[in-house]
Amino acid sequence: DTEVTQTPKHLVMGMTNKKSLKCEQHMGHRAMYWYKQKAKKPPELMFVYSYEKLSINESVPSRFSPECPNSSLLNLHLHALQPEDSALYLCASSQGRALRENIQYFGAGTRLSVL
Amino acid sequence: GNSVTQMEGPVTLSEEAFLTINCTYTATGYPSLFWYVQYPGEGLQLLLKATKADDKGSNKGFEATYRKETTSFHLEKGSVQVSDSAVYFCALRGGTDKLIFGTGTRLQVFP
Repeated sequence: DTEVTQTPKHLVMGMTNKKSLKCEQHMGHRAMYWYKQKAKKPPELMFVYSYEKLSINESVPSRFSPECPNSSLLNLHLHALQPEDSALYLCASSQGRALRENIQYFGAGTRLSVL
Repeated sequence: GNSVTQMEGPVTLSEEAFLTINCTYTATGYPSLFWYVQYPGEGLQLLLKATKADDKGSNKGFEATYRKETTSFHLEKGSVQVSDSAVYFCALRGGTDKLIFGTGTRLQVFP
């Protein structure tokens, strides 16, 4: 099983709303990732959690707040977003060890629209 | 720094045609190389991988060979199907967990 589950699939929010995206995996992976993907562009890395600790923050604005409650779950809390934050948000996970075969498995994404 | 360059799309082919999507990379050391595919409205799926020079990754009729001398990882398929229509991303991973993606190549296959 190589499934990464993301909820919700679609989200529409206003600029004053607070919402959260959820990601779950049960592959025993210890690294989890958030990516943002705009239309016709490749995914852009936002955050990496390794062994439940934030290891990479790609200078993401503070209106995006990641959380890793345990090794299977990853959340992305959203607050005071802007219309330009509308995108597909992808979660991924990997074994998290420095292995050449360390493969990232992606979820189906949450399509976010900010009005 | 590390980078990946892919050919511009869209690539438009008739069913059963031969497919090549070019990918070249710049990296220090010996990166691992990947091809991911994204079908409309979906996330990314790993298509194939290669972790050292001269490795050939293959899956679902697609192949790519890790060529260190030409720093390339071109994707090929001998006979494409309509169901192969998607966006294909070449990616590399160096010494960290960070994946570096190319810009993606859209493939359109017509019956």
